Amino acid sequence: NAGVTQTPKFQVLKTGQSMTLQCAQDMNHNSMYWYRQDPGMGLRLIYYSASEGTTDKGEVPNGYNVSRLNKREFSLRLESAAPSQTSVYFCASSPAGQYGYTFGSGTRLTVV
Amino acid sequence: AQSVSQHNHHVILSEAASLELGCNYSYGGTVNLFWYVQYPGQHLQLLLKYFSGDPLVKGIKGFEAEFIKSKFSFNLRKPSVQWSDTAEYFCAVSGNNRLAFGKGNQVVVIP
Repeated sequence: NAGVTQTPKFQVLKTGQSMTLQCAQDMNHNSMYWYRQDPGMGLRLIYYSASEGTTDKGEVPNGYNVSRLNKREFSLRLESAAPSQTSVYFCASSPAGQYGYTFGSGTRLTVV
Repeated sequence: AQSVSQHNHHVILSEAASLELGCNYSYGGTVNLFWYVQYPGQHLQLLLKYFSGDPLVKGIKGFEAEFIKSKFSFNLRKPSVQWSDTAEYFCAVSGNNRLAFGKGNQVVVIP
């Protein structure tokens, strides 16, 4: 019962480096989401994919790109990391957004 | 777009005390409502949800929430907390194929 799997769990980047956060779900869910969590800010939506082949911006998309590779996988890319992107990143999936999410275990990213 | 407000961001209470966390939302359409819990160092887990029907919803670990449509509220309650309830609690509302989350309530239960 893997659910939503995120890799890596921890990452330290230098300013300007790039990286891709991976997310995969095995529940045949249509919708997938990327959030960032910062103290006192709650969860803010970065990008989401309502269905395979579609992606849309959320509240805080600047500095990020996404790819819905197939129904299972939804990756988040930081092209040129900045200290302001230090955060915990959560991937989530859902049959459709209104039914609630299953979350991955998160990626703690530090940009120095 | 939908939005969620949670009050009393930090709550400290003793074991066996009662807990109530407020949640108010705004959205023009039909909503589904959720409470998620995040234990220290872990990811968010579903505590309970409301789609329709009985406005008093019971979830896991003795939590319950009441949907009051006229007040746009979905408050979370637990009659008697335990040390293991120390966590952050997030209210969420559905709309536009996604959830909007409140900023969370950090709850610390003192043994």
